[in-house]
Amino acid sequence: EVQLVESGGGLVQPGGSLRLSCAASGFTFSDHYMDWVRQAPGKGLEWVSMVYSGGSTYYADSVKGRFTISRDNSKNTLYLEMNSLRAEDTAVYYCAGGVTRYYFDFWGQGTLVTVSS
Amino acid sequence: EIVLTQSPGTLSLSPGERATLSCRASQSVSSSYLAWYQQKPGQAPRLLIYGASSRATGIPDRFSGSGSGTDFTLTISRLEPEDFAVYYCQQYGSSPRVVTFGGGTKVDIK
Repeated sequence: EVQLVESGGGLVQPGGSLRLSCAASGFTFSDHYMDWVRQAPGKGLEWVSMVYSGGSTYYADSVKGRFTISRDNSKNTLYLEMNSLRAEDTAVYYCAGGVTRYYFDFWGQGTLVTVSS
Repeated sequence: EIVLTQSPGTLSLSPGERATLSCRASQSVSSSYLAWYQQKPGQAPRLLIYGASSRATGIPDRFSGSGSGTDFTLTISRLEPEDFAVYYCQQYGSSPRVVTFGGGTKVDIK
């Protein structure tokens, strides 16, 4: 059974940092494209970042220069390092993955990040 | 960057009725790059349709996708109680390499 389990969310002050993790199981992690997608309270889905199976990374303009996506294929884990956090980064952050880069076959249950003083 | 506009914002229907959801792109999108998701309250999204018209594993055949170019449609032939949810379209862009979601259509019970 495919499982993605996010962790690392919480309350952080504006300007602070947080690191999210996503532990994967039930599939060959190293063969899959992995992404972070977020959803602000009561709002729609917003793509954040993707990392190809080969390691190339891409970001939404709203997080470029502040967030860093990475993966550790030996640990079957995806990461999102978030710096210079703003109130508008408050959202549930989902880890998502797929065998292609075109869509997301499976999703985690999400971890809530709240940026507030 | 391609913008996806979904309409209507809310669709109020009764169980057994047909639902037709629209997703319009600001520029032409390859059908291979267009997907639809269902999201229920408190849950993660679930892949329904990929490649504009292919059903994901385990998705009932009452769900169908169609369209090409800038106009795509998700149809639910006969609404079941568990189909009342929010639906999102999504496209992958190769230049620039970004992913875009539509704003969503909420299908609620009339």
